[in-house]
Amino acid sequence: KNEVEQSPQNLTAQEGEFITINCSYSVGISALHWLQQHPGGGIVSLFMLSSGKKKHGRLIATINIQEKHSSLHITASHPRDSAVYICAVRSKTSGSRLTFGEGTQLTVNP
Amino acid sequence: DTGVSQDPRHKITKRGQNVTFRCDPISEHNRLYWYRQTLGQGPEFLTYFQNEAQLEKSRLLSDRFSAERPKGSFSTLEIQRTEQGDSAMYLCASSLAGGEAYGYTFGSGTRLTVV
Repeated sequence: KNEVEQSPQNLTAQEGEFITINCSYSVGISALHWLQQHPGGGIVSLFMLSSGKKKHGRLIATINIQEKHSSLHITASHPRDSAVYICAVRSKTSGSRLTFGEGTQLTVNP
Repeated sequence: DTGVSQDPRHKITKRGQNVTFRCDPISEHNRLYWYRQTLGQGPEFLTYFQNEAQLEKSRLLSDRFSAERPKGSFSTLEIQRTEQGDSAMYLCASSLAGGEAYGYTFGSGTRLTVV
């Protein structure tokens, strides 16, 4: 079992829909990251969380440390949100390196 | 500073050839990481440096792989005697030691295809 599991693997939505991507992890963490990867390969950091909730524009990320679970929400989705969304954790025992989930491929249709 | 730069963006090589990739991190960042990502998977850790010291290497980093960061600035990742299984995206990231609370910055990656 991977240390970081994401669901769903693939998600197709219509423009304007509310989207949720989930991430569960099995280790004690210092921080959890949500990242966005476009087809060219570059990765952009969206959020870093160690507790609670963060919001940036139409994106909201939440984390429940006790349940070892995080969610990324996108409100009023748009075709430009189409990308791979990756959850990654920095565990308390792994130094500064990140352990990544497999990613969620999001496609938003107009 | 334009972020983390990786060169080349794409590399096609014949099996058995050696390849070298370069990563230029953000200048103030003293930690530099290499990750490998195969199609449909999340990135996997390969190795990381703090300044010029290589602090950790993954079991994924076979004897054919070597990474250096000679002056604590840019880093190179060399793969000798490439195999088709080495085909992947090689990602570099950098951070400030103790400053991971401020996150990591990733490069755009080098996509390697071994034919």
